[in-house]
Amino acid sequence: QLQLQESGSGRVKPSQTLSLTCAVFGGSISSGGYSYSWIRQPPGKGLEWVGYIYHNGSSYYNPSLKSRGTISVNRSKNQIYLKLSSVTAADTAVYYCARGGFLGDYDDYWGQGILVTVSS
Amino acid sequence: QSALTQPASVSGSPGQSITISCTGTSSDVGRYNFVSWYQQHPGKAPKLMIFEVTHRPLGVPHRFSGSKSDNTASLTISGLQTDDEADYYCSSYTSSGTLVFGGGTKLTVL
Repeated sequence: QLQLQESGSGRVKPSQTLSLTCAVFGGSISSGGYSYSWIRQPPGKGLEWVGYIYHNGSSYYNPSLKSRGTISVNRSKNQIYLKLSSVTAADTAVYYCARGGFLGDYDDYWGQGILVTVSS
Repeated sequence: QSALTQPASVSGSPGQSITISCTGTSSDVGRYNFVSWYQQHPGKAPKLMIFEVTHRPLGVPHRFSGSKSDNTASLTISGLQTDDEADYYCSSYTSSGTLVFGGGTKLTVL
């Protein structure tokens, strides 16, 4: 059974960079042609797509992030990363990593999520 | 990109059927058959219920079904059960190569 687990700093100061890691267990991120996504959910609000990275390494991001986001992978560690620069309070959310289909149009395995609070 | 439009809330009694709509544009829902639906219970991660408009992942009951007409996709839950009470979100692939979610619908089983 595939499992994803997010980790990283739970508190980030405004204007700094948010850094999260998603460790994948029970399967290799190098096989199967899957995409990996980051989705966030501000407290009490709905889901917001952050971005995804395809098996070939290309990545796409939510235009609302205004080029602040970077998703990368380390295949030897079986991990996916999210970096979000110049954070503000509006970036406070539970961040989920998820495995998706080839196109990234759906996500069938999700991590439990990690709450990141942007506050000084 | 604008969020897909979902009703804020719907309700139904056990055993009844309900339908949640998800309205987008000709650049997302209307253009591709890449609409998904997720169920989220409080404090839990979302769970995939429907992908590519009509497909159910293994383990999702047949009571859950999806459809699409023009720019609007729909999730129908038949034979409502108390455990179906949750938030439901739709998502769609877009012509920009990105993904967009709906605002979410709170389902109350009375």
